[in-house]
This record gives sequence, structure tokens and C-alpha cells, in this order.
Amino acid sequence: EPEVTQTPSHQVTQMGQEVILRCVPISNHLYFYWYRQILGQKVEFLVSFYNNEISEKSEIFDDQFSVERPDGSNFTLKIRSTKLEDSAMYFCASTVSTPNEKLFFGSGTQLSVL
Amino acid sequence: GENVEQHPSTLSVQEGDSAVIKCTYSDSASNYFPWYKQELGKGPQLIIDIRSNVGEKKDQRIAVTLNKTAKHFSLHITETQPEDSAVYFCAASGNNNDMRFGAGTRLTVKP
Repeated sequence: EPEVTQTPSHQVTQMGQEVILRCVPISNHLYFYWYRQILGQKVEFLVSFYNNEISEKSEIFDDQFSVERPDGSNFTLKIRSTKLEDSAMYFCASTVSTPNEKLFFGSGTQLSVL
Repeated sequence: GENVEQHPSTLSVQEGDSAVIKCTYSDSASNYFPWYKQELGKGPQLIIDIRSNVGEKKDQRIAVTLNKTAKHFSLHITETQPEDSAVYFCAASGNNNDMRFGAGTRLTVKP
């Protein structure tokens, strides 16, 4: 079965540094998402992206966050100036053609901000 | 926005018993209710979903029920096996593009 791939699997950074988390969604999918999961807590919606623009974003997704699809295959999440509370597992996901369909998740990037 | 509550947070059952996990949602516009299973070190994977035009759906040992009036939906796993041990998340979304998840239930099936 096709997979969503995420790199790196682990990222350690210093507070205040910029990080870029990378994802390659499944090739024929059109909707892309970022979620995060703080250890032991729920999976939280950050942002959805369709047709090269953000379609929805949560209250968590403030000006420190941005997303980009720089080419036909990658989908990135940038955190401009990381804070300790940004430490979490970040999941990328994609769906084929409409929002209310099966989300395919990647295995996540564990971000640790020191 | 949508708010999804999930109970219990942990559930321990004996192999062969049934397990039930319940969720409530707040937004009456929500019309899609998936359930995801997350194993250690992996991303969530869809196991079953239900749309608001049906009240129940079954797939082998897994079933989901939906009560739109009460805004709650439940996951039922029958004849549980040790490999069912995982964290289970319910979720809800409407026609917008921001699926919201419950807090998760850690299911342990004891052999």
C-alpha cells in the first residue's frame, strides 16, 4: 500500500531555532494536513492544505507556523522560532480527493526543543 | 469549532471479551466519524468510519454506532485479541477541512 513518508523521524533543536519538517504525501492525493501529538495527549489538528493554499487552520497554527508545497511531491511545515512547548510528535497526512475521507498518516517526526 | 470527548481513557479487558469506547461531539454539522488505531511508534491508521446517513456499520469484529440526536458514537470490538492492544482515537469532521480527534483510549487486552 502507498505510504506517506516523513523526514526526519527525530529532530532535536534549540529553543528559538527554525525547523522544517518534511513530508511526501501519497502521489495522487490532493488534500494535505499537519497534526501534532504532545506525549500522551490527543492528536491535534494544525492545518489543512489544498490547491496550493491553506484551507483551514487551528488556533495552534499561529504566525510562527507556515506550510509550503515547494514542488510536486513535498509538503513542509516550518516553525520559525521554536518554543519548548512545540515539543511533540508531528504527523503529516493526506487524503485522495475530498476532506471527509480516510486520512493516511505518516509515521511522524518527533520534535524535541531544548 | 468541533469538540470531541472520548471515554474511557484506559480500558483493560480479558482476551475474548468485548470492548466499547464512546465519543461525543459538539458540532451538529459534523457528518463523518472515523476511528483510528495507533500502535506504538506509528501514525494513526483508519480502522472503520461511519457517515451521518447511517446508524451502524460493521466490519468483522469491529462495529461503530452513531446517534445523531444525542451526538454520540461508539466503537465496539468483539472477541478481543492481544493484537487489538493499542490506542484508539475517535474523530469528527464536517464539510470543512479540519478533522478533530478525541483524547484517545489505551486498550489493553490481557491474554
